[in-house]
Parts: sequence; structure tokens; C-alpha cells
Amino acid sequence: AQKITQTQPGMFVQEKEAVTLDCTYDTSDQSYGLFWYKQPSSGEMIFLIYQGSYDEQNATEGRYSLNFQKAKKSANLVISASQLGDSAMYFCAMREGRGNFNKFYFGSGTKLNVKP
Amino acid sequence: DVKVTQSSRYLVKRTGEKVFLECVQDMDHENMFWYRQDPGLGLRLIYFSYDVKMKEKGDIPEGYSVSREKKERFSLILESASTNQTSMYLCASRDTDPAYNEQFFGPGTRLTVL
Repeated sequence: AQKITQTQPGMFVQEKEAVTLDCTYDTSDQSYGLFWYKQPSSGEMIFLIYQGSYDEQNATEGRYSLNFQKAKKSANLVISASQLGDSAMYFCAMREGRGNFNKFYFGSGTKLNVKP
Repeated sequence: DVKVTQSSRYLVKRTGEKVFLECVQDMDHENMFWYRQDPGLGLRLIYFSYDVKMKEKGDIPEGYSVSREKKERFSLILESASTNQTSMYLCASRDTDPAYNEQFFGPGTRLTVL
């Protein structure tokens, strides 16, 4: 089974509107972490936001928020007030493991295009 | 600022060649990772290392090996390159302190095997 599933290969959003990128995960661990990364066309991976499995509040970082629904095993990224510079690939990822021993799993990504 | 560097941005090799991809991080991170990125497949973990000389297979280790003789350096080795190893290779490192969570990525090496 896939550890991380991103079902939207591509999405369009109008500038200044909000957009939600979907992510579901699969784990039997109680302690895990969820991440979102942005990859612009230049190729670098940019960390956006993190949610720990025990965090009760949804994580927020500026215009990014993570809609964490533990029972549904979903960790959707919400980008408010989209900007042209938000056009990029977005990857959802999960960390399993404890201490020094950590494995990360990434989804297949969602390509977001912001239209002017 | 954490810096993760990779030895080459672009590399072209011939089938059967032995290929070394080098990754160096400057923040004393315990964890280091090698991924390959292919369109529609996202990032797939090849190998990771949780300490010097310690390594673990990821999800797609076949055809690859790794070396971590020093904490700052993690090398990916393609013993006999094949065309299906043409891909973007990304290295990452991470601090295991629970106060920090994210991985820091290098710029990537785009490898073409002819």
C-alpha cells in the first residue's frame, strides 16, 4: 500500500484565491510527522510546513495551513491568497521512526498552476 | 543556514560505468538520505544513514550502494550504471533533535545514462 497518496496530479487556481492540495497517508505508528515541500521549476525542495501526530492544533505558517484530520489520515495543504510565485510542484511527506532511525515517504506530487 | 551540496548538477555516463554521487552537509546532522525523483512517482528513498558507517536500505536499493565514512559526507554509488537509472538524484540531511523536523535538500544531480 502507498504510504502517501496525492490524488491531484495537476491543479489550476486563480491568483488571490485559496486552494487545497490533498494528501492522505497510511501508517500504523502512533508517532509520526507530516510535511509539505514546494519544488519550483528551478528544482530546489523548499520546506513549507510540519504537523506532528500528537499536535492538536492545525499547523500554520503564513499563507500555508495544514488541515490535519487524524481519523481520516489526511493532511491537506491549504494555500490562501494564491500568488503567481506559488506555481510549483508540491509534495506531501511523512516521517516514521524514532530517535535517530527515521524513514521518510513522499507522495507523487501535485503541480499547481496559478493563473493571473 | 544549513547547506547541503551535491558534487554535480548534471552528469552524463555510459552504461556499465561506475558512478559516484557525492553529498556533503555542513550542519553536523546525523541523518542523511538519498532519493531519486521521477515524473509521476515523486521522491523514492534509495538508502539512508542514521549515523557514521550506519546505513539502511530504502524502498528501491537495487543497483545502488552507499558509503558514509564521515558524518558530513554521504556517497551514492551506482556499481554498473544502467539506462533505467537515468533520473534526478536528491540528497537530504536532518537533525535528529526533536525540536527540528524537516529535511534539508541539496540542489540535485540530474544523471543521464547513455
